Amino acid sequence: EVQVVESGGDLVQPGGSLRLSCAASGFTFSDHDMDWVRQAPGKGLEWVGRIRNKANTYTTQYAASVKGRFTISRDDSKNSLFLQMNSLTTEDTAVYHCARVNLNYVTDYLGQGTLVTVSS
Amino acid sequence: DIQMTQSPSSLSASVGDRVTITCRASQDINNYLAWFQQKPGKAPKSLIYAASTLQSGVPSKFSGSRSGTYFTLTISSLQPEDFATYYCQQYTNYPLTFGGGTKVEIK
Repeated sequence: EVQVVESGGDLVQPGGSLRLSCAASGFTFSDHDMDWVRQAPGKGLEWVGRIRNKANTYTTQYAASVKGRFTISRDDSKNSLFLQMNSLTTEDTAVYHCARVNLNYVTDYLGQGTLVTVSS
Repeated sequence: DIQMTQSPSSLSASVGDRVTITCRASQDINNYLAWFQQKPGKAPKSLIYAASTLQSGVPSKFSGSRSGTYFTLTISSLQPEDFATYYCQQYTNYPLTFGGGTKVEIK
């Protein structure tokens, strides 16, 4: 069974940093691109970014709203995905979902998410 | 960026009704359109990709279609477990973009 489980969400002050993790299981993690998707309270879904697999040289893409502040990385040896978030603002308050991208380049499994609250 | 305009933003329907949700892309995205279902407090679930291909395990009451830059998600006979919020997403270009969502409520 495919599973992705996020962790690391917390309350952080504006300007602060946080690192989220995602533990994957039930599939060959190294074969897949992976996404982060977020959802602010009471709002819709927003794509945050993607990291390609090793065959695609771990290339990353980001939404304009986070580019230059957020960094996606992965450790295929540990089936883990990461999101390093710097210079956080209140606009980054959201539930952050880790997501698998299938071999048709479609997001097909999302985790329950981890809540990041940016507030003073 | 490609804008995805979803309509309606909400609708009320009864069990057994046929429901249609529309998503319009601001430019040609070919068939690179996916639909997701989200229930309160739960992770979004992938329903359809490539405009009309059902994900494994998704019941056949869900269907998707395309006409140019217009895409529709149809639920043939609404059941209690289908009351949720539905989102479209284009995946032809970065940044990937979602529609604003359609909340399907019980009439």
